[in-house]
Amino acid sequence: QVQLVESGGGVVQPGRSLRLSCAASGFTFSDYGMHWVRQAPGKGLEWVAIIWYDGTTKYYADSVKGRFTVSRDNSKNTLHLQMNRLRAEDTAVYYCARRGSHDTFDCWGQGTLVTVSS
Amino acid sequence: DIQMTQSPSSLSASVGDRVTITCRASQSVSSYLNWYQQKPGKAPNLLIYGASSLQSGVPSRFSGSGSGTDFILTITTLQPEDFATYSCQQSYSFPYTFGQGTKLEIK
Repeated sequence: QVQLVESGGGVVQPGRSLRLSCAASGFTFSDYGMHWVRQAPGKGLEWVAIIWYDGTTKYYADSVKGRFTVSRDNSKNTLHLQMNRLRAEDTAVYYCARRGSHDTFDCWGQGTLVTVSS
Repeated sequence: DIQMTQSPSSLSASVGDRVTITCRASQSVSSYLNWYQQKPGKAPNLLIYGASSLQSGVPSRFSGSGSGTDFILTITTLQPEDFATYSCQQSYSFPYTFGQGTKLEIK
């Protein structure tokens, strides 16, 4: 079955960097675009970034543009999110999600918590 | 950016009730509107896509309607497992945006 497993979260100081990963299985990873979505504690969902199935196109939320970079390795069925110059407001659970047909988030990982604090 | 506004923010209902949740977009999103259910500590789950199409495996008591700027999620005959937070999301244009969520609680 389709499975997405995030890793790499943790506690990091403001201004530092962190790299999240999402391991995909149960489907042909290279056929699908992939998203990152985050959720701050007690808050709603916020879309972060998308990368096309072949990595050629990427879009970002304004709140992370210039600081975060999404990438993928189709040979390893893995999605990444490089997060630089982290801020307290980046504290959230980060989910990877598959771009389904009809432009949905049709499968989600369990999430990984990123806490930015001194 | 397209802003998505849900109402109400919270809602109390009883098992067996029929409930509706409204989502309004700040500009037309055509039918590029999706609904998700999220339970505490869990990832969201896709319920409705394209404003009114039921995702495979989702019970038929869930339905969606609307187009343009105004959308409705309806749950008929509430079941105990339906008490959760519901969020709308537009996929008309980037950046994709979500509503703030509607928390459905047991009365």
